[in-house]
Amino acid sequence: AQSVTQLDSQVPVFEEAPVELRCNYSSSVSVYLFWYVQYPNQGLQLLLKYLSGSTLVKGINGFEAEFNKSQTSFHLRKPSVHISDTAEYFCAGTTYGGSQGNLIFGKGTKLSVKP
Amino acid sequence: DARVTQTPRHKVTEMGQEVTMRCQPILGHNTVFWYRQTMMQGLELLAYFRNRAPLDDSGMPKDRFSAEMPDATLATLKIQPSEPRDSAVYFCASGLGLASETQYFGPGTRLLVL
Repeated sequence: AQSVTQLDSQVPVFEEAPVELRCNYSSSVSVYLFWYVQYPNQGLQLLLKYLSGSTLVKGINGFEAEFNKSQTSFHLRKPSVHISDTAEYFCAGTTYGGSQGNLIFGKGTKLSVKP
Repeated sequence: DARVTQTPRHKVTEMGQEVTMRCQPILGHNTVFWYRQTMMQGLELLAYFRNRAPLDDSGMPKDRFSAEMPDATLATLKIQPSEPRDSAVYFCASGLGLASETQYFGPGTRLLVL
Protein backbone atom coordinates (compact mmCIF):
# COMPACT_ATOMS: atom_id res chain seq x y z
CA ALA A 1 0.00 0.00 0.00
CA GLN A 2 1.17 3.48 -0.76
CA SER A 3 2.10 5.80 2.08
CA VAL A 4 3.62 9.24 2.47
CA THR A 5 5.81 10.04 5.47
CA GLN A 6 6.83 13.49 6.60
CA LEU A 7 9.69 12.97 8.96
CA ASP A 8 9.42 16.21 10.92
CA SER A 9 6.23 17.43 12.54
CA GLN A 10 7.71 20.84 13.33
CA VAL A 11 10.60 22.78 11.86
CA PRO A 12 11.67 26.06 13.48
CA VAL A 13 14.01 28.25 11.45
CA PHE A 14 15.24 31.82 11.48
CA GLU A 15 14.28 34.29 8.80
CA GLU A 16 16.55 34.25 5.73
CA ALA A 17 17.91 30.81 6.62
CA PRO A 18 17.53 27.87 4.22
CA VAL A 19 15.00 25.16 4.98
CA GLU A 20 14.33 21.60 3.89
CA LEU A 21 11.11 19.76 4.68
CA ARG A 22 11.45 16.05 4.23
CA CYS A 23 9.02 13.67 2.56
CA ASN A 24 9.38 10.00 1.74
CA TYR A 25 6.92 7.86 -0.14
CA SER A 26 6.54 4.14 -0.49
CA SER A 27 5.16 2.67 -3.63
CA SER A 28 5.79 -0.25 -5.90
CA VAL A 29 4.65 1.77 -8.91
CA SER A 30 5.46 5.18 -10.29
CA VAL A 31 3.94 8.14 -8.55
CA TYR A 32 2.75 11.67 -8.88
CA LEU A 33 3.89 13.81 -5.94
CA PHE A 34 2.60 17.10 -4.59
CA TRP A 35 3.39 19.67 -1.93
CA TYR A 36 0.52 21.70 -0.54
CA VAL A 37 0.73 24.61 1.92
CA GLN A 38 -1.85 25.59 4.51
CA TYR A 39 -1.67 29.09 5.99
CA PRO A 40 -3.43 29.66 9.33
CA ASN A 41 -7.22 29.41 9.08
CA GLN A 42 -7.14 28.65 5.37
CA GLY A 43 -7.51 25.68 3.08
CA LEU A 44 -4.62 23.93 1.38
CA GLN A 45 -3.15 25.30 -1.82
CA LEU A 46 -0.73 23.73 -4.26
CA LEU A 47 2.95 24.71 -4.00
CA LEU A 48 4.28 22.39 -6.70
CA LYS A 49 3.91 18.93 -8.18
CA TYR A 50 6.02 16.30 -9.87
CA LEU A 51 4.44 14.37 -12.70
CA SER A 52 7.36 13.33 -14.90
CA GLY A 53 10.47 14.69 -16.61
CA SER A 54 12.93 16.88 -14.76
CA THR A 55 13.38 15.74 -11.18
CA LEU A 56 13.79 19.31 -9.92
CA VAL A 57 10.44 21.01 -9.71
CA LYS A 58 10.00 24.70 -9.05
CA GLY A 59 6.89 26.03 -7.38
CA ILE A 60 5.40 29.22 -6.08
CA ASN A 61 6.95 31.51 -3.47
CA GLY A 62 10.52 30.41 -4.26
CA PHE A 63 10.05 26.78 -3.19
CA GLU A 64 11.44 23.83 -5.09
CA ALA A 65 11.47 20.08 -4.60
CA GLU A 66 13.57 17.26 -5.95
CA PHE A 67 12.19 13.86 -6.86
CA ASN A 68 14.65 11.11 -5.95
CA LYS A 69 13.46 7.73 -7.10
CA SER A 70 16.31 5.73 -5.57
CA GLN A 71 15.69 7.24 -2.16
CA THR A 72 11.91 7.45 -2.64
CA SER A 73 12.03 11.04 -1.48
CA PHE A 74 10.51 14.34 -2.51
CA HIS A 75 12.01 16.93 -0.16
CA LEU A 76 10.91 20.55 -0.28
CA ARG A 77 13.51 23.31 -0.11
CA LYS A 78 13.77 27.07 -0.01
CA PRO A 79 17.15 28.86 0.10
CA SER A 80 15.94 31.79 2.21
CA VAL A 81 12.68 31.80 4.14
CA HIS A 82 10.48 34.72 5.11
CA ILE A 83 8.21 35.23 8.08
CA SER A 84 5.30 34.84 5.69
CA ASP A 85 6.35 31.25 4.96
CA THR A 86 5.14 30.25 8.41
CA ALA A 87 2.52 27.62 7.64
CA GLU A 88 1.89 23.90 7.60
CA TYR A 89 3.19 21.96 4.61
CA PHE A 90 1.73 18.71 3.35
CA CYS A 91 3.36 16.20 1.05
CA ALA A 92 0.98 14.01 -0.94
CA GLY A 93 1.19 11.30 -3.54
CA THR A 94 -0.83 9.10 -5.82
CA THR A 95 -0.13 6.49 -8.48
CA TYR A 96 -0.21 6.60 -12.26
CA GLY A 97 -3.58 5.48 -13.43
CA GLY A 98 -5.07 6.01 -10.01
CA SER A 99 -8.04 8.14 -9.25
CA GLN A 100 -7.65 11.71 -8.04
CA GLY A 101 -9.46 10.51 -4.96
CA ASN A 102 -6.59 8.22 -4.06
CA LEU A 103 -4.30 11.10 -3.12
CA ILE A 104 -2.49 10.15 0.11
CA PHE A 105 -1.44 13.01 2.40
CA GLY A 106 1.38 13.02 4.91
CA LYS A 107 0.75 14.22 8.45
CA GLY A 108 2.11 17.68 7.75
CA THR A 109 5.14 19.70 8.85
CA LYS A 110 4.65 22.99 10.66
CA LEU A 111 7.25 25.50 9.55
CA SER A 112 7.80 28.30 12.03
CA VAL A 113 9.95 31.17 10.80
CA LYS A 114 11.34 33.38 13.55
CA PRO A 115 12.74 36.88 13.14
CA ASP B 1 -10.42 34.09 -9.82
CA ALA B 2 -12.29 30.79 -9.51
CA ARG B 3 -12.37 29.28 -6.06
CA VAL B 4 -14.19 26.74 -3.95
CA THR B 5 -16.63 28.29 -1.49
CA GLN B 6 -17.90 26.77 1.74
CA THR B 7 -20.63 27.80 4.12
CA PRO B 8 -20.83 28.33 6.98
CA ARG B 9 -17.25 29.23 7.85
CA HIS B 10 -17.89 28.61 11.53
CA LYS B 11 -20.54 26.59 13.33
CA VAL B 12 -21.10 26.04 17.03
CA THR B 13 -23.83 23.61 17.94
CA GLU B 14 -24.93 21.35 20.74
CA MET B 15 -24.56 17.61 20.79
CA GLY B 16 -27.47 15.89 19.08
CA GLN B 17 -28.19 18.72 16.65
CA GLU B 18 -28.09 18.34 12.89
CA VAL B 19 -25.28 20.10 11.05
CA THR B 20 -25.26 20.79 7.32
CA MET B 21 -22.17 22.08 5.53
CA ARG B 22 -22.27 23.28 1.94
CA CYS B 23 -19.71 23.53 -0.78
CA GLN B 24 -19.72 25.12 -4.21
CA PRO B 25 -16.99 23.57 -6.37
CA ILE B 26 -15.15 25.42 -9.09
CA LEU B 27 -17.27 25.57 -12.24
CA GLY B 28 -16.25 22.81 -14.63
CA HIS B 29 -14.66 20.59 -12.02
CA ASN B 30 -16.19 17.12 -12.02
CA THR B 31 -14.72 15.74 -8.79
CA VAL B 32 -15.56 16.91 -5.27
CA PHE B 33 -13.91 15.80 -2.06
CA TRP B 34 -14.79 16.14 1.61
CA TYR B 35 -11.94 16.11 4.13
CA ARG B 36 -11.85 16.42 7.91
CA GLN B 37 -8.84 17.91 9.69
CA THR B 38 -8.11 17.46 13.39
CA MET B 39 -5.00 17.86 15.48
CA MET B 40 -4.94 14.17 16.34
CA GLN B 41 -5.74 12.58 12.98
CA GLY B 42 -4.52 15.18 10.54
CA LEU B 43 -6.26 15.35 7.17
CA GLU B 44 -8.72 12.51 6.49
CA LEU B 45 -10.65 11.91 3.29
CA LEU B 46 -14.29 11.35 4.17
CA ALA B 47 -15.88 10.98 0.73
CA TYR B 48 -15.60 12.00 -2.88
CA PHE B 49 -17.83 12.33 -5.90
CA ARG B 50 -17.20 12.14 -9.64
CA ASN B 51 -19.82 13.68 -11.93
CA ARG B 52 -22.09 13.94 -8.88
CA ALA B 53 -21.97 10.19 -8.18
CA PRO B 54 -20.42 9.02 -4.91
CA LEU B 55 -17.24 7.04 -5.63
CA ASP B 56 -15.93 6.40 -2.16
CA ASP B 57 -17.33 7.23 1.25
CA SER B 58 -15.41 4.62 3.21
CA GLY B 59 -13.83 7.29 5.38
CA MET B 60 -17.14 8.51 6.65
CA PRO B 61 -19.04 7.21 9.72
CA LYS B 62 -22.14 5.90 7.94
CA ASP B 63 -24.47 5.99 10.89
CA ARG B 64 -24.39 9.76 11.30
CA PHE B 65 -22.73 11.29 8.26
CA SER B 66 -24.16 11.67 4.79
CA ALA B 67 -22.83 13.41 1.69
CA GLU B 68 -24.74 14.37 -1.44
CA MET B 69 -24.42 16.39 -4.62
CA PRO B 70 -27.91 17.53 -5.56
CA ASP B 71 -26.46 19.32 -8.58
CA ALA B 72 -23.10 20.14 -10.12
CA THR B 73 -22.80 23.41 -8.21
CA LEU B 74 -23.58 22.15 -4.71
CA ALA B 75 -22.20 19.46 -2.44
CA THR B 76 -23.47 18.92 1.09
CA LEU B 77 -22.12 17.12 4.13
CA LYS B 78 -24.59 16.42 6.88
CA ILE B 79 -24.06 15.15 10.40
CA GLN B 80 -27.08 13.91 12.31
CA PRO B 81 -26.89 13.65 15.27
CA SER B 82 -23.67 15.55 15.92
CA GLU B 83 -21.27 14.55 18.70
CA PRO B 84 -18.40 16.41 20.40
CA ARG B 85 -15.88 14.14 18.62
CA ASP B 86 -17.09 15.57 15.30
CA SER B 87 -15.48 18.90 16.20
CA ALA B 88 -12.99 19.58 13.44
CA VAL B 89 -12.40 21.66 10.33
CA TYR B 90 -14.19 20.24 7.32
CA PHE B 91 -12.73 21.03 3.91
CA CYS B 92 -14.28 20.67 0.52
CA ALA B 93 -12.01 20.43 -2.52
CA SER B 94 -12.68 20.09 -6.22
CA GLY B 95 -10.68 18.95 -9.21
CA LEU B 96 -10.73 17.64 -12.74
CA GLY B 97 -10.62 13.99 -11.78
CA LEU B 98 -7.24 12.85 -13.05
CA ALA B 99 -4.58 11.67 -10.63
CA SER B 100 -2.15 14.26 -11.99
CA GLU B 101 -4.48 17.17 -11.38
CA THR B 102 -4.42 19.68 -8.54
CA GLN B 103 -7.10 19.65 -5.87
CA TYR B 104 -8.46 23.09 -5.06
CA PHE B 105 -9.50 23.51 -1.44
CA GLY B 106 -12.15 25.71 0.06
CA PRO B 107 -11.51 27.75 3.22
CA GLY B 108 -13.15 25.13 5.44
CA THR B 109 -15.98 24.99 7.96
CA ARG B 110 -14.80 25.06 11.55
CA LEU B 111 -17.26 22.97 13.56
CA LEU B 112 -17.49 22.91 17.32
CA VAL B 113 -19.96 20.52 18.92
CA LEU B 114 -20.55 21.20 22.60
